[in-house]
Amino acid sequence: QSMLTQPPSVSGAPGQRVTISCTGSSSNIGAGYDVHWYQRLPGAAPKLLIYLNNERPSGVPARFSGSKSGSSASLTITWLQAEDEADYFCQTYDRGLRGSWVFGGGTKLTVL
Amino acid sequence: QVQLQESGPGLVRPSQTLSLSCTVSGGSISTGDYYWTWIRQRPGKGLEWIGNVRLDGGTSYSPSLNSRLLISIDASKSLFSLNLRSVTAADTAIYYCARMNTISSNWFDPWGPGALVSVSS
Repeated sequence: QSMLTQPPSVSGAPGQRVTISCTGSSSNIGAGYDVHWYQRLPGAAPKLLIYLNNERPSGVPARFSGSKSGSSASLTITWLQAEDEADYFCQTYDRGLRGSWVFGGGTKLTVL
Repeated sequence: QVQLQESGPGLVRPSQTLSLSCTVSGGSISTGDYYWTWIRQRPGKGLEWIGNVRLDGGTSYSPSLNSRLLISIDASKSLFSLNLRSVTAADTAIYYCARMNTISSNWFDPWGPGALVSVSS
């Protein structure tokens, strides 16, 4: 069981907006650690999508945005496009058990 | 830009040692403040951090794998390696190598394409 909880799946039609949640605890997100998001397209390696909660690497469209509040974070995709269909993972640091880096279980986004 | 590529056997027998290497190209493994990382995804599970190695050979391991794990680095060959001893079917996974940023916060970028390793007799 992952230390960060994500919904297994979300879906939306082209042009719509979807939000993927990432719920942690007082030992990770709630302790103030930054959250990062990754996109894994079918058959591809994970790619950094959002870092430091809401920063986008060069080349990532502005349709992707992140936020963090309390022990949770979220990834929002606006103007959904067919090529956004992928798995999305959140990641942070957890200070329990001598410290380790932790991921969410992943969310499969389906574009209808 | 920096690219990573995993290599190693795709099939390992139970109780044996799983060995993978990650070759770094397009940039030096010796520059910058980075940790070099192994991550895996077992079937039906999320991503799981395995461990990191620094340029000086220092390591951090997942508590759940610590007793079976060895991660090392060979800067002269621009690669780092994973050895996981006494494997079982539960170690069947896609294994990724990645570079971890260590300035201000820790994220993983870039990643290798992944290597599927099956543990089976």
